Amino acid sequence: QITLKESGPTLVKPTQTLTLTCTFSGFSLSTSGVVVGWIRQPPGKALEWLALIYWNDDKRYSPSLKSRVTITKDTSKNQVVLTMTNMDPVDTATYYCAHRRSSLGSGNAFDIWGQGTVVTVSS
Amino acid sequence: DIQMTQSPSSLSASVGDRVTITCRASQSISSYLNWYQQKPGKAPKLLIYATSSLQSGVPSRFSGSGSGTELTLTISSLQPEDFVTYYCQQSYTTPYTFGQGTKLEIK
Repeated sequence: QITLKESGPTLVKPTQTLTLTCTFSGFSLSTSGVVVGWIRQPPGKALEWLALIYWNDDKRYSPSLKSRVTITKDTSKNQVVLTMTNMDPVDTATYYCAHRRSSLGSGNAFDIWGQGTVVTVSS
Repeated sequence: DIQMTQSPSSLSASVGDRVTITCRASQSISSYLNWYQQKPGKAPKLLIYATSSLQSGVPSRFSGSGSGTELTLTISSLQPEDFVTYYCQQSYTTPYTFGQGTKLEIK
């Protein structure tokens, strides 16, 4: 059974750096084909994709956030870390990590999501 | 970036109704279209992947169809628990993009 859980600060100040950790179980990011992503959702708004990390350490980022976001993995700890610099109140959102299906015909869909962690950016 | 235009943004319907939600992509996304259901305060849940494949455990009243740039989610007979928000998402290429969501409301 695959599970993911996000953790990190609930409140950050403007200009600070946010570090979120996704701790997962039920799969390994050292296994070929495995991919984990981050998605966020501002209050009352739509979902926004942020980043992906692949089993081979390949990474993809949202162009609008690429200069501010870094995604890394620690395979030994079964964790994926998202770092976002220069936080602004508009970055206030629920941040989710999710497992992405990667088999043929899977649609590359996010099939299992963490519960999300709420991050507020305010001074 | 591929833009996903989801319509309608809200929809009033009754229990037992058949409803359709549409997503239009700004370019062809082949079959890389997924549908999610989100209940208030909860994480999204995958309903349909690769346009028309039903995720395990999802009731058969949910179905997906379409190809290219116009794709749809149909709920054949609305149940009380279906009155929540739905999102489409293209996973054809990064940056992945989501539709703006459709909120189903009880008439």
